[in-house]
Amino acid sequence: GQNIDQPTEMTATEGAIVQINCTYQTSGFNGLFWYQQHAGEAPTFLSYNVLDGLEEKGRFSSFLSRSKGYSYLLLKELQMKDSASYLCAVRDRDYQLIWGAGTKLIIKP
Amino acid sequence: IAGITQAPTSQILAAGRRMTLRCTQDMRHNAMYWYRQDLGLGLRLIHYSNTAGTTGKGEVPDGYSVSRANTDDFPLTLASAVPSQTSVYFCASSDDSTGELFFGEGSRLTVL
Repeated sequence: GQNIDQPTEMTATEGAIVQINCTYQTSGFNGLFWYQQHAGEAPTFLSYNVLDGLEEKGRFSSFLSRSKGYSYLLLKELQMKDSASYLCAVRDRDYQLIWGAGTKLIIKP
Repeated sequence: IAGITQAPTSQILAAGRRMTLRCTQDMRHNAMYWYRQDLGLGLRLIHYSNTAGTTGKGEVPDGYSVSRANTDDFPLTLASAVPSQTSVYFCASSDDSTGELFFGEGSRLTVL
């Protein structure tokens, strides 16, 4: 079966750095997405990786290793507004998105 | 403002009633999706449509039906609601070139 694993919950301190990991086992691979979802709101797009390596976008970076079935989302200079759930999703060989359950990130002052 | 509009935002209905959740997009995306999101679970695909006139079943299609008469509209119907269909429902469309999903604000449905 297809599977996406990410930690259920993480806690970090305002101003610090946090890394959210995602491992996947899917039927084929056509890209990995990270979405942010604040409580009670819709998910919003953060990043997309299809090739190995690091993609940087401001305070957020996303890394992909296809050989290891692994990605991480790196958040720097954490702000209170970064408290949210972070969803990892992989597009399989049929171009269907497989979603992880999400990581709830709690930021403490 | 371009995007996806869902209605209603929230609804409480009695078991056995019929309910249609509406979804409209103005981005001219070909592909549209309906997901449900339950606490502790990832987004689960109910039905999808790759283009107007076609639909397909997702991971959890039982008890739901969809139609795609045109590019913009993708309604989801619960023919006879059951309590296990209590959930938050998200409609989404995807950019044809990047695959990025755009979500509606969600419809919170409670079936009693």
